[in-house]
Amino acid sequence: LAKTTQPISMDSYEGQEVNITCSHNNIATNDYITWYQQFPSQGPRFIIQGYKTKVTNEVASLFIPADRKSSTLSLPRVSLSDTAVYYCLVGDADSWGKLQFGAGTQVVVTP
Amino acid sequence: GAVVSQHPSRVICKSGTSVKIECRSLDFQATTMFWYRQFPKKSLMLMATSNEGSKATYEQGVEKDKFLINHASLTLSTLTVTSAHPEDSSFYICSARDHLRLAGSYNEQFFGPGTRLTVL
Repeated sequence: LAKTTQPISMDSYEGQEVNITCSHNNIATNDYITWYQQFPSQGPRFIIQGYKTKVTNEVASLFIPADRKSSTLSLPRVSLSDTAVYYCLVGDADSWGKLQFGAGTQVVVTP
Repeated sequence: GAVVSQHPSRVICKSGTSVKIECRSLDFQATTMFWYRQFPKKSLMLMATSNEGSKATYEQGVEKDKFLINHASLTLSTLTVTSAHPEDSSFYICSARDHLRLAGSYNEQFFGPGTRLTVL
């Protein structure tokens, strides 16, 4: 499983866009990039997944450059309820769900 | 859809006792479930992969005789912490994949709400 590196923490104000970049230099051809969100004392929640270019859903956007060695999770117009830890994970179908969580990024949104 | 429950949500026990934690997939079937442990301010650590009808696969450093896993049906996996000690106090989280959603996201797992174990 490819190792990922992301900032330990990020602070933002309500209404701003938050971009979290994750580095995964050793990503393999078959690997997908997945982001999870975790609130305190809760299990993680799937946010978004992508392979290349850009993926957007109702919660976030995921930008993946052509070399796929990094990815950026974009949270538009954050609110206080977006305060959480965000994890970037990289894995392929062969690992079949075996997730290795890194340290994650603690995002704190203030008024 | 795709809800995973855990029971109990929190448990306090005395040192030396055993504690069983249940993980259920409520609206889907899961041939594979996973157990994680999370210490305060730390990330999730994968403990083991629970396979329906077969033995669990443990990660390196996780004692299989200490953390007994049983996956007797497609909707239930249990983790038993045997002879619990204060250092076993942690947040235990299970997850499951809907094995029929093969066309969906490869790594999408559905996580339970977690079980807070405190060993006195």
